[in-house]
Amino acid sequence: DGGITQSPKYLFRKEGQNVTLSCEQNLNHDAMYWYRQDPGQGLRLIYYSQIVNDFQKGDIAEGYSVSREKKESFPLTVTSAQKNPTAFYLCASSIMGKDQPQHFGDGTRLSIL
Amino acid sequence: AQSVTQLDSHVSVSEGTPVLLRCNYSSSYSPSLFWYVQHPNKGLQLLLKYTSAATLVKGINGFEAEFKKSETSFHLTKPSAHMSDAAEYFCVVSPFTGTASKLTFGTGTRLQVTL
Repeated sequence: DGGITQSPKYLFRKEGQNVTLSCEQNLNHDAMYWYRQDPGQGLRLIYYSQIVNDFQKGDIAEGYSVSREKKESFPLTVTSAQKNPTAFYLCASSIMGKDQPQHFGDGTRLSIL
Repeated sequence: AQSVTQLDSHVSVSEGTPVLLRCNYSSSYSPSLFWYVQHPNKGLQLLLKYTSAATLVKGINGFEAEFKKSETSFHLTKPSAHMSDAAEYFCVVSPFTGTASKLTFGTGTRLQVTL
């Protein structure tokens, strides 16, 4: 079955530590996205990528970094510069174009130790 | 600029009664609109989408939504609620662009279904 796989499901970060969240898709989608979800809020876009080796900042990119070395993979690093990283992180992918919906993974919940 | 407002943060219905989740949007161009559902600790699943082909859109699990341009609304309905419908629902707008789909999400409506 085609889909998006996020790992790990739960992740804990120590102070001053960088952590990397994995996102892999086998849908052959060109575009991939990272969102942050906090309680009572909608999803906020962190980064997105339309093509391999290229990505753009979203609305809340500070304290995060990404790479897109392969079409299937779009890992997100939460750096120590992100002072409030506790949240639910969702990865998505889509075909390029106005009417194309995004397909989501099951998320990674990041907490601070 | 575009935005979406979900008018209710929480809706409670009895099983077997109709569901109405309200959404208003603002967009400079003719938008695409989506409704997604999220169950606890899960990702979002697409319920339905509006792309200007028809104003009444039917989705999965018996849900449907009607696009009303004059009211800038895209309310989600279901004739009869089921316990499994209890979840968070997001109304989403996509701008007129041929590139990556940068979506704007509403803040969500939590649907509670009681016996």
